[in-house]
Amino acid sequence: AQSVTQPDIHITVSEGASLELRCNYSYGATPYLFWYVQSPGQGLQLLLKYFSGDTLVQGIKGFEAEFKRSQSSFNLRKPSVHWSDAAEYFCAVRNSGYSTLTFGKGTMLLVSP
Amino acid sequence: EADIYQTPRYLVIGTGKKITLECSQTMGHDKMYWYQQDPGMELHLIHYSYGVNSTEKGDLSSESTVSRIRTEHFPLTLESARPSHTSQYLCASSIGDLGTQYFGPGTRLLVL
Repeated sequence: AQSVTQPDIHITVSEGASLELRCNYSYGATPYLFWYVQSPGQGLQLLLKYFSGDTLVQGIKGFEAEFKRSQSSFNLRKPSVHWSDAAEYFCAVRNSGYSTLTFGKGTMLLVSP
Repeated sequence: EADIYQTPRYLVIGTGKKITLECSQTMGHDKMYWYQQDPGMELHLIHYSYGVNSTEKGDLSSESTVSRIRTEHFPLTLESARPSHTSQYLCASSIGDLGTQYFGPGTRLLVL
């Protein structure tokens, strides 16, 4: 069965600093991977996705993620964090043979002034 | 921007009441999903549907039921609400096989 691990429960970053959120997945074949963001009291918004091809994918709000098969990772990055980026971030992988997703437990991003 | 709607956004109700959480999408997506999410926790899939008259249970056992009579509508019903049902319920939809899901704003349910 597929699984997703987000090792960091909370991360605090200073405004303007760079950000990297970690995601590791367990999947036998080429995975379909997603990053979502959730602001307090809201649903999830899709940031970016990886299906195939270029391993560096660009998303909305200045985010990017890099797929590394050798490390089973799909880390999310942003060069300069803004206070409005404070939210919870979820990594997800599509389940084999289905359209359902398995989500990680999420990483809460806190942005300090 | 995804057009998927959930009502109500917030619901406070007493134990034993029957409730229905509404979810509608205007994108013509064939697949729809319900997730349960406790505060600060991960999402757990409780129901999904691949089309009209198709419903399946998800990974997390739930006492709720769902129906899919129309493509755009996927309501979730609790026949007798209990405090253990207190949670946030998120609805999502997708089209095709690639799995990109679009989420509604969620319903926060509090059962007293």
